[in-house]
Amino acid sequence: SAVISQKPSRDICQRGTSLTIQCQVDSQVTMMFWYRQQPGQSLTLIATANQGSEATYESGFVIDKFPISRPNLTFSTLTVSNMSPEDSSIYLCSVRTGETSGNTIYFGEGSWLTVV
Amino acid sequence: DQQVKQNSPSLSVQEGRISILNCDYTNSMFDYFLWYKKYPAEGPTFLISISSIKDKNEDGRFTVFLNKSAKHLSLHIVPSQPGDSAVYFCAASVMEGAQKLVFGQGTRLTINP
Repeated sequence: SAVISQKPSRDICQRGTSLTIQCQVDSQVTMMFWYRQQPGQSLTLIATANQGSEATYESGFVIDKFPISRPNLTFSTLTVSNMSPEDSSIYLCSVRTGETSGNTIYFGEGSWLTVV
Repeated sequence: DQQVKQNSPSLSVQEGRISILNCDYTNSMFDYFLWYKKYPAEGPTFLISISSIKDKNEDGRFTVFLNKSAKHLSLHIVPSQPGDSAVYFCAASVMEGAQKLVFGQGTRLTINP
């Protein structure tokens, strides 16, 4: 397994501001993912972040709104830009352990953002 | 298009009995399935997984069954304990490539004493 730490764990943000969420993993991983869970909804993949390449965004998510950095194999950041109340969600960092397919994907504790 | 569906938003089970959580999928490309447990304001915790080459995988009190022809999987928890009360998410992926997870909507399990 992997130990995944996210900061902040919780924050209340003003409309129109931006917030950067940090994700630190206790081991080197190739693939990191960012998910979002809006209130009462399921988890939705925002983007896949691989070290040394641009993040790959899912349909409905764009780099201008959710810029991602992946400077090394243990760290990534997700920025939620120009926030609106609709961005109030839990944002989750996840990693795939191991290099072979079929390995389990583990999640961090999440960052709960409330936009007011 | 909801590719992974958990049709029961909630389930209530007596302590000590079996809990059965169900999940259906539509994408025949999915070949790897996982179950996660989630408490409020926490990240999902991995429980158990199964690849499409198997029809059953067991780990302690948790067993996952896969019926590929029906595109259906289920999680059995026996015996159910109060600490099992949480939201359970079914997730599916394709093993090759990025292995992105597609999640169901979740089922809230409540274990009654």
